[in-house]
Amino acid sequence: EIVLTQSPGTLSLSPGERATLSCRAGQSVGSSSLAWYQQKPGQAPRLLIYGASSRATGVPDRFSGSGSGTDFTLAISRLEPEDFAVYYCQQYGSSPYTFGQGTKLEIK
Amino acid sequence: QVQLQESGPGLMKPSETLSLTCTVSGDSIRTSYWSWVRQPPGKGLEWIGFIIYSGGTSYNPSLKSRLTMSIDTSKNQFSLKLSSVTAADTAVYYCVRQWTFWGQGALVTVSS
Repeated sequence: EIVLTQSPGTLSLSPGERATLSCRAGQSVGSSSLAWYQQKPGQAPRLLIYGASSRATGVPDRFSGSGSGTDFTLAISRLEPEDFAVYYCQQYGSSPYTFGQGTKLEIK
Repeated sequence: QVQLQESGPGLMKPSETLSLTCTVSGDSIRTSYWSWVRQPPGKGLEWIGFIIYSGGTSYNPSLKSRLTMSIDTSKNQFSLKLSSVTAADTAVYYCVRQWTFWGQGALVTVSS
């Protein structure tokens, strides 16, 4: 099983700032099968990034994903008020598919 | 627009079998693979397994001994059965189409 470790656990930033979230895998993620999700309270997760760097339909271009192998990053270039949420990474290249524990992005 | 809707019991007792159904609209269930993901209250996400229209499945080994998934192409639905539930199975259960489309989630509480 591929264990995903996200850091930091909580990130406190102000609107307009840049956010950088990290996801590290315990072993290489095949074919860059790495996704990022945003989840707000009481809502289902929303797919932001798939294939490590491809934005899902309708996702603003301030969200970008990068990385390969075992190290992946989600960047949000200029934080908007609606971006404050919990973010999860997920690998879907090797069964069982696994999620990171989440990073909470909160308003400073 | 693809929509998924979970339906299930809400409240269950320990040792019972959980049955959940996901009804798909706006897409044929023959076109993709269909997953279940759960989230205990206040915690992270756990992949349960997936099924494809032919009936092929992949299950999380941590649940495999208690888990059965099925698909009904005539009703455009797929289902999950989890046997011998305990309080640790209390969670919001989501049905998912290929990671892009998620149901709103169904809270299942296991309590005596």
